[in-house]
Amino acid sequence: EPEVTQTPSHQVTQMGQEVILRCVPISNHLYFYWYRQILGQKVEFLVSFYNNEISEKSEIFDDQFSVERPDGSNFTLKIRSTKLEDSAMYFCASSFVPGLAGGADTQYFGPGTRLTVL
Amino acid sequence: GESVGLHLPTLSVQEGDNSIINCAYSNSASDYFIWYKQESGKGPQFIIDIRSNMDKRQGQRVTVLLNKTVKHLSLQIAATQPGDSAVYFCAENERGAQKLVFGQGTRLTINP
Repeated sequence: EPEVTQTPSHQVTQMGQEVILRCVPISNHLYFYWYRQILGQKVEFLVSFYNNEISEKSEIFDDQFSVERPDGSNFTLKIRSTKLEDSAMYFCASSFVPGLAGGADTQYFGPGTRLTVL
Repeated sequence: GESVGLHLPTLSVQEGDNSIINCAYSNSASDYFIWYKQESGKGPQFIIDIRSNMDKRQGQRVTVLLNKTVKHLSLQIAATQPGDSAVYFCAENERGAQKLVFGQGTRLTINP
């Protein structure tokens, strides 16, 4: 069964450093997402991406964050200058179609990358 | 404002019993709802979904009920097994939007 994969599983970085989290969405999916989950809290939406551009983003997704699909398979989240409060699990998800007028579709999640900012 | 929340943070049931996990939502524009299961150290795993034009949907050992009048969603798990122990999240999707809004989660523990 196809699945979303993410690397690395755990990333430790110093405050102020840049990190890039990587995801390989399910191959025939067209819509890609990043969510984060601070320890013990609920999963929060960050951004959605379609056709090589951001289609929706939350207030969490400020100028320190960026996303990119550098090739036909990878989807990345970059945090330019990490802060302590960026420590969280970051989940990538993908769906074949988004939640638009045609009806929502299931978002499938990867196993996550645990980001620890020291 | 929009929010999705869960009534109970923890739930313990005996193996073999049925469990019901509840979820309240406040966004009347939401028309798609999903239950995810999250095991320790893993990502949310899709369990079952339901659209707003339905009241009930059944899967294997799971049933989701949607009451739009009171904005309530529930997940019923029949004949619980040890592998059902996890945190269960409800999530909603507003028509026209792409993001999922997750609830706080309920930790389900199956006692042997």
